[in-house]
Amino acid sequence: KQEVTQIPAALSVPEGENLVLNCSFTDSAIYNLQWFRQDPGKGLTSLLLIQSSQREQTSGRLNASLDKSSGRSTLYIAASQPGDSATYLCAVREGATNKLIFGTGTLLAVQP
Amino acid sequence: GAGVSQSPRYKVAKRGQDVALRCDPISGHVSLFWYQQALGQGPEFLTYFQNEAQLDKSGLPSDRFFAERPEGSVSTLKIQRTQQEDSAVYLCASSLDRNNGYTFGSGTRLTVV
Repeated sequence: KQEVTQIPAALSVPEGENLVLNCSFTDSAIYNLQWFRQDPGKGLTSLLLIQSSQREQTSGRLNASLDKSSGRSTLYIAASQPGDSATYLCAVREGATNKLIFGTGTLLAVQP
Repeated sequence: GAGVSQSPRYKVAKRGQDVALRCDPISGHVSLFWYQQALGQGPEFLTYFQNEAQLDKSGLPSDRFFAERPEGSVSTLKIQRTQQEDSAVYLCASSLDRNNGYTFGSGTRLTVV
């Protein structure tokens, strides 16, 4: 059974700092991996999608990497801002079932 | 529409009441998914449609939960005889195909009192 783990569970950093969020998964038979952001009381906003054949994707200050063989992904946020404060979720799309399996998220607080 | 639309945004139900939650996916998106998110947890899979066909309902927690998508567009998640443990945010997502990611709606927050 696929399990997705995110470390750390919570993170507080001062504004301007670069940071890395970690995601690991137990079964490498994934179709793709998606990073989402969730603000309190809101739905999920897609940040980056990495296909299983890709190594990384970039969007603005965000960079996500994928190492499928070791079951790991990282989300790098450069020059963090208070507006980046949210819960960040990673999810893998299973190849066989088409389901997204989520981690429990990292709660990020960027202090002004 | 431009995004996935869910209604109602909030629902308070008395224990034992039936509820129906609506999801309007992005036009043309073949795949539609329902997820349940408890407080402080990541979303958990409930069920999946491809067009009007329900291909996987393995995540539905009990036979009180029922989902349909009769014309391959709008979907309804129905919960009969609601219980307190059904209180959660119910998220709907749609996807064009496997090469594209999921797009989520804002969710319906269900509170059973």
